[in-house]
Amino acid sequence: RKEVEQDPGPFNVPEGATVAFNCTYSNSASQSFFWYRQDCRKEPKLLMSVYSSGNEDGRFTAQLNRASQYISLLIRDSKLSDSATYLCVVPRGGYQKVTFGIGTKLQVIP
Amino acid sequence: NAGVTQTPKFQVLKTGQSMTLQCAQDMNHNSMYWYRQDPGMGLRLIYYSASEGTTDKGEVPNGYNVSRLNKREFSLRLESAAPSQTSVYFCASRGTSGVTTDTQYFGPGTRLTVL
Repeated sequence: RKEVEQDPGPFNVPEGATVAFNCTYSNSASQSFFWYRQDCRKEPKLLMSVYSSGNEDGRFTAQLNRASQYISLLIRDSKLSDSATYLCVVPRGGYQKVTFGIGTKLQVIP
Repeated sequence: NAGVTQTPKFQVLKTGQSMTLQCAQDMNHNSMYWYRQDPGMGLRLIYYSASEGTTDKGEVPNGYNVSRLNKREFSLRLESAAPSQTSVYFCASRGTSGVTTDTQYFGPGTRLTVL
């Protein structure tokens, strides 16, 4: 299994829809995880951190399933502005180095 | 605060030419990183610097050198550019206290084409 695996998509969803992405990881010792958002031709920016079972921030919910070694990102009431690529990030033995997934592309359609 | 800045934004090189990508951060972060991003590959770590005066190889260091000039600046040098180094290069920094400890802050990127 790769260190971090994501479905590259694209996920095409209508405005207002709920969409979820998964990210699987291979290092069972990983304690925390991150979702970054990357807009087209821009730099990645932190969206959410996941330290225990999950985290919620407005329309965004990140959950962690340690038994199955995956994290998920749920976006409710999708907006056009949510269109971006969402990168899953897993630290490697501390925060000094991390592994980025290839990202899942989301396109919200009017 | 400007955050993380990178120069240049775009560059076209011929095979064999050399160049240095510049990166600076004004957040007083200890750790700095250079990544490259290629389609279908995700971000891959080239080199990183845990603190001023130290540098370490990442996953794909071949063909690159780095210099941590001071706490603010971390440069990436291509001594003899090859077409395989065509990519988008991102510099990032990470803090070591409070909420900045585990977050990497990225610069806007340098789009490099090697012909």
